Amino acid sequence: KAGVTQTPRYLIKTRGQQVTLSCSPISGHRSVSWYQQTPGQGLQFLFEYFSETQRNKGNFPGRFSGRQFSNSRSEMNVSTLELGDSALYLCASSLSEGTDTQYFGPGTRLTVL
Amino acid sequence: GESVGLHLPTLSVQEGDNSIINCAYSNSASDYFIWYKQESGKGPQFIIDIRSNMDKRQGQRVTVLLNKTVKHLSLQIAATQPGDSAVYFCAENPYNAGGTSYGKLTFGQGTILTVHP
Repeated sequence: KAGVTQTPRYLIKTRGQQVTLSCSPISGHRSVSWYQQTPGQGLQFLFEYFSETQRNKGNFPGRFSGRQFSNSRSEMNVSTLELGDSALYLCASSLSEGTDTQYFGPGTRLTVL
Repeated sequence: GESVGLHLPTLSVQEGDNSIINCAYSNSASDYFIWYKQESGKGPQFIIDIRSNMDKRQGQRVTVLLNKTVKHLSLQIAATQPGDSAVYFCAENPYNAGGTSYGKLTFGQGTILTVHP
């Protein structure tokens, strides 16, 4: 069974631009969570989607948004990029409920110049 | 100004030794705990998990111990190999009042494990 895939793997943007990252969960998994990983803050939860609905959200500004499609694939969007948004963005999928094991993708490395 | 990164604890062991990585968690109501391994350039990889109704769980070469009294989690790796070198994270699923905290894992800062041949 294929793992979680994320595209693109690397991205370079400039301040003020927006970016969209994509995540395809493991087949059969319906929950997708997104995390931001930085050297300064570690791994921080962004949001979680299940059946196209956002069920949970972390403490990030409204510039960070996401969505989930009927096939469980998910995208996250960051608008008006800031230098501090440079990070590894990780997506994780699980079968359904919040306490199911989450399996992570390789991440998208975003660099904001 | 310049940001200060997390100062991760480090553990250096010789190949073949047993390793113990410790983690203190914050929420006494957390009911699910996971250990992940992250190698450079990769996403976190699931190692083993444990629920709060257990105090020990064993996998292949790994054992997780949970002490709810002092809110402490540990990962023991037997016969550590160079391929075990990575950053190890513990994660907890905090329990929100009124229901499960959907999809949210709270991660520890991580421990860098270096295995010398």
